[in-house]
Amino acid sequence: NAGVTQTPKFQVLKTGQSMTLQCAQDMNHEYMSWYRQDPGMGLRLIHYSVGAGITDQGEVPNGYNVSRSTTEDFPLRLLSAAPSQTSVYFCASSSDGNYGYTFGSGTRLTVV
Amino acid sequence: KNQVEQSPQSLIILEGKNCTLQCNYTVSPFSNLRWYKQDTGRGPVSLTIMTFSENTKSNGRYTATLDADTKQSSLHITASQLSDSASYICVVSGAGNYGGSQGNLIFGKGTKLSVKP
Repeated sequence: NAGVTQTPKFQVLKTGQSMTLQCAQDMNHEYMSWYRQDPGMGLRLIHYSVGAGITDQGEVPNGYNVSRSTTEDFPLRLLSAAPSQTSVYFCASSSDGNYGYTFGSGTRLTVV
Repeated sequence: KNQVEQSPQSLIILEGKNCTLQCNYTVSPFSNLRWYKQDTGRGPVSLTIMTFSENTKSNGRYTATLDADTKQSSLHITASQLSDSASYICVVSGAGNYGGSQGNLIFGKGTKLSVKP
């Protein structure tokens, strides 16, 4: 049982480039979300989904897009990378959106 | 404003000693409070989760307490081990819409614990 799988683990982008961070879970969880973790700050919610075809914005959504075409996958797209998006990104899933969150191991992104 | 404050910011203890980490929150309405352990370079892993009616919950050498009246929680680690070196994050779940402006999960900044031999 893999849980929540994030790829890639590390990525370096140039300013203005685009990329997609992948997140997949095999627990049949309806709720999935993306967070970013910056030094000296708590995790902040970027986007979330309560089921296939349903997404919404979190606390810091600017510069990111998401879609949820299947229950298993919830990719995060950076449209035009900026240095301010240098961070560690975590994907999480939950069966009910309240208890039992499972986090992926993270993607460390550097934008130069 | 919904906030979760943790103290201390960092802590160094000797192996075998006990320690207590603190979490104060202002999240309202309150649903539950959880403690996560985050090893360096890894995602957070849940240690305990407590609802409004629960005062204490244990997970091995980890014991969490919750005082919903004073909006305080603590995580006590007994007989610390080198593998306990990690960041410990307090997360409060507010009742209401998932993830939206009402804030499903409010994360503290964490306490970085270092256990020395």
